[in-house]
Amino acid sequence: QVTLRESGPALVKPTQTLTLTCTFSGFSLSHSGMCMSWIRQPPGKALEWLARIDWDDDKYYSTSLKSRLTISKDASKNQVVLTMTNMDPVDTATYYCAWFTSDYYYMRVWGKGTTVTVSS
Amino acid sequence: QSAPTQPASVSGSPGQSITISCTGTSSDVGGYKYVSWYQQHPGKAPKVMIYDVSNRPSGVSDRFSGSKSGNTASLTISGLQAEDEADYYCSSYTSSSTMVFGGGTKLTVL
Repeated sequence: QVTLRESGPALVKPTQTLTLTCTFSGFSLSHSGMCMSWIRQPPGKALEWLARIDWDDDKYYSTSLKSRLTISKDASKNQVVLTMTNMDPVDTATYYCAWFTSDYYYMRVWGKGTTVTVSS
Repeated sequence: QSAPTQPASVSGSPGQSITISCTGTSSDVGGYKYVSWYQQHPGKAPKVMIYDVSNRPSGVSDRFSGSKSGNTASLTISGLQAEDEADYYCSSYTSSSTMVFGGGTKLTVL
């Protein structure tokens, strides 16, 4: 059974860097075909896809946020980390990590999400 | 990458059928079989209802079905039930090897 759990600060100040961690179980991100994504959802708004990292360390980013995002993995710790620089109040959102496989590009399992507020 | 367009809201009475559209481009919805649909209840994480345009994951009711024509994908829910009231999002793989979500549709069961 695959489970995911997001963790990180609930509050960050404008211009700071946000670091979120997704800790997972039930699969190995070293296994061929395994992939992870980060998605966010501002209050009352739509889902927004942010980034993806694959088992072979290939990485892909949202075009609009590419300059601010970095995704990385530590397969030995079963963790995926997302950093977002220069945080702004418009980045206030619930951030989700999700698992999928490269043969089926859909988010099979989601974490419960972690809420991040950007405010001074 | 622009988000595929979905109607902001749809509604239907119990027992009726509704369809939610998701219109993208040939670089996303129209170009790949990797179109999926997610249901999200308030305060909850999304749950996949349809993948690869028309496939249902194990455990999802067969009242949910999906299709695609050109750059537009559709989700149909038949025999509407109160528990179907939720937000629905389409998602697609893109030509940049990224993913994109639609703007979301709020389903109200009258």
